[in-house]
Amino acid sequence: NAGVMQNPRHLVRRRGQEARLRCSPMKGHSHVYWYRQLPEEGLKFMVYLQKENIIDESGMPKERFSAEFPKEGPSILRIQQVVRGDSAAYFCASSPGGGQPYFGPGTRLLVL
Amino acid sequence: GQQLNQSPQSMFIQEGEDVSMNCTSSSIFNTWLWYKQDPGEGPVLLIALYKAGELTSNGRLTAQFGITRKDSFLNISASIPSDVGIYFCAGPLIGSGANSKLTFGKGITLSVRP
Repeated sequence: NAGVMQNPRHLVRRRGQEARLRCSPMKGHSHVYWYRQLPEEGLKFMVYLQKENIIDESGMPKERFSAEFPKEGPSILRIQQVVRGDSAAYFCASSPGGGQPYFGPGTRLLVL
Repeated sequence: GQQLNQSPQSMFIQEGEDVSMNCTSSSIFNTWLWYKQDPGEGPVLLIALYKAGELTSNGRLTAQFGITRKDSFLNISASIPSDVGIYFCAGPLIGSGANSKLTFGKGITLSVRP
């Protein structure tokens, strides 16, 4: 039973480019969460999605960030026109309902 | 806002020693979670606590949910080198309606000397 999968594990982008981070939840899990971790910080909630619906995006920056969880395929966190401050580890988590989430290994984004 | 406070930022112990970590908050939490994060990996759930006063063990780990619901501790007994990592406390945001929207402490980095 595969866990939460994220790819790529490492992503390097230049300022102004777009970053696309993918997350495949655990089998049977219909709830997906994205968190961001800055160096030497805890994880910060960004967005909560169910299939084809954004349930809560209160932690998402107002501009340049978007997330989706389509009916088919992985959840995508998209960052447009990246800036150096976007450099962080981005973690996806999934749960079967409202229970405790299982985290993926993360995508480390580095913006040059 | 709701914050979870963990200190110190780093702890250094000798292999075989016991260690205790605290997590406090000015807000009440209904669930406390303890996670461990290895370098380059995501957090892994160690122990979940659901009731005030609850004491739960998982192997060499023991955690308790404070009776005021504003604090928790995690004990690791007879530490071994693979206990090295960052230990986070976390809890669901009050009023979120979901146990999966978590607020995290900043974590404690544990080093174990052989």
